[in-house]
Amino acid sequence: GDSVTQMEGPVTLSEEAFLTINCTYTATGYPSLFWYVQYPGEGLQLLLKATKADDKGSNKGFEATYRKETTSFHLEKGSVQVSDSAVYFCALNGGSQGNLIFGKGTKLSVKP
Amino acid sequence: DAGVIQSPRHEVTEMGQEVTLRCKPISGHNSLFWYRQTMMRGLELLIYFNNNVPIDDSGMPEDRFSAKMPNASFSTLKIQPSEPRDSAVYFCASSERGGRETQYFGPGTRLLVL
Repeated sequence: GDSVTQMEGPVTLSEEAFLTINCTYTATGYPSLFWYVQYPGEGLQLLLKATKADDKGSNKGFEATYRKETTSFHLEKGSVQVSDSAVYFCALNGGSQGNLIFGKGTKLSVKP
Repeated sequence: DAGVIQSPRHEVTEMGQEVTLRCKPISGHNSLFWYRQTMMRGLELLIYFNNNVPIDDSGMPEDRFSAKMPNASFSTLKIQPSEPRDSAVYFCASSERGGRETQYFGPGTRLLVL
């Protein structure tokens, strides 16, 4: 079945460092891909998404490109801030009912 | 818009008690989802409604769990009787049209069963 695999955390970076969180997927058809972010004590919120191959989603300095050839949707940011500390979830819309299928989440901690 | 509203935000109860969690989706959204989040199992989809009709309840752990959506603006998730292993954060989410669309999450209900 459809699935999402993202890198294990936690990831600890210094402020202004470059961030990459890897995400790969397995899916039939042509799913849309998403990154959600969960700040401490809050629900998940959409960070960015891409709906077809080669699309780039971007928001708040974060980017991810839908790579069909490598079945990947890696999240990147050029210079992280302390306020980016959160858990990041990669997801695709798939499954028998077309629901969102989430990865296990990657916790990011940014130190000043 | 107020976003997805969940109540209560925190619930502490004793094993064997009934627990009812409530959710108000974003107005105009046709689909509603209940998730459970734990450290061990991550984020799990429990049940998914479309136009107030349950579409997929394969994630509901057992008969102790039930969910209803009597109208487009309200849903409940009930656990009866509750057990310590039900302790988790329960999220409600809604989307405009089905599971493939962007889902908007509520702040969650943190449940502790003693």
